[in-house]
Amino acid sequence: RKEVEQDPGPFNVPEGATVAFNCTYSNSASQSFFWYRQDCRKEPKLLMSVYSSGNEDGRFTAQLNRASQYISLLIRDSKLSDSATYLCVVNRGNNDMRFGAGTRLTVKP
Amino acid sequence: DVKVTQSSRYLVKRTGEKVFLECVQDMDHENMFWYRQDPGLGLRLIYFSYDVKMKEKGDIPEGYSVSREKKERFSLILESASTNQTSMYLCASTPSNRNIGIQYFGAGTRLSVL
Repeated sequence: RKEVEQDPGPFNVPEGATVAFNCTYSNSASQSFFWYRQDCRKEPKLLMSVYSSGNEDGRFTAQLNRASQYISLLIRDSKLSDSATYLCVVNRGNNDMRFGAGTRLTVKP
Repeated sequence: DVKVTQSSRYLVKRTGEKVFLECVQDMDHENMFWYRQDPGLGLRLIYFSYDVKMKEKGDIPEGYSVSREKKERFSLILESASTNQTSMYLCASTPSNRNIGIQYFGAGTRLSVL
């Protein structure tokens, strides 16, 4: 079993839709959590950190459930420019980062 | 802006060749990383370094070595390239252990070993 599991998708949604991605992790000692975005043939870039209390950045909301070892990302009012692969990233501590394989999103007009 | 530069975007090498992948960052970051990214597997850590001349093995170090002679440069070496090392290689850096999740990536090197 992979340490960080994501639904690979693809998710194909119309503009304006709300879409949610889930991620589970297996190491209960994991310390911090992130969502990265990777455009086609580009490098990953940090989208947002995920805090225990949940956090929001514009149209993006991230949630963490430590008891269930589950992270989510919600995108409201999807834009064409949101089309990308979203990577769930878990920091186990001591420079030990684990990446999910990514969830691909395509937003269509 | 932080800049992480990988020397090549595309490389084609033959089985058995020694391959050098270079990465340079311009923000005086202490920590540097080499990953490979394969479809369905995500990014996997090969090696990382938290200081000059220091290195630590990641999840998949076999067949690879690294060199960090200067703070800004972290090199990945494939001692004898094999076809199963065909992959996208990504270098990353981060300023300190406290923000270890915030990594800045280079554009990647797509390596094909024939």
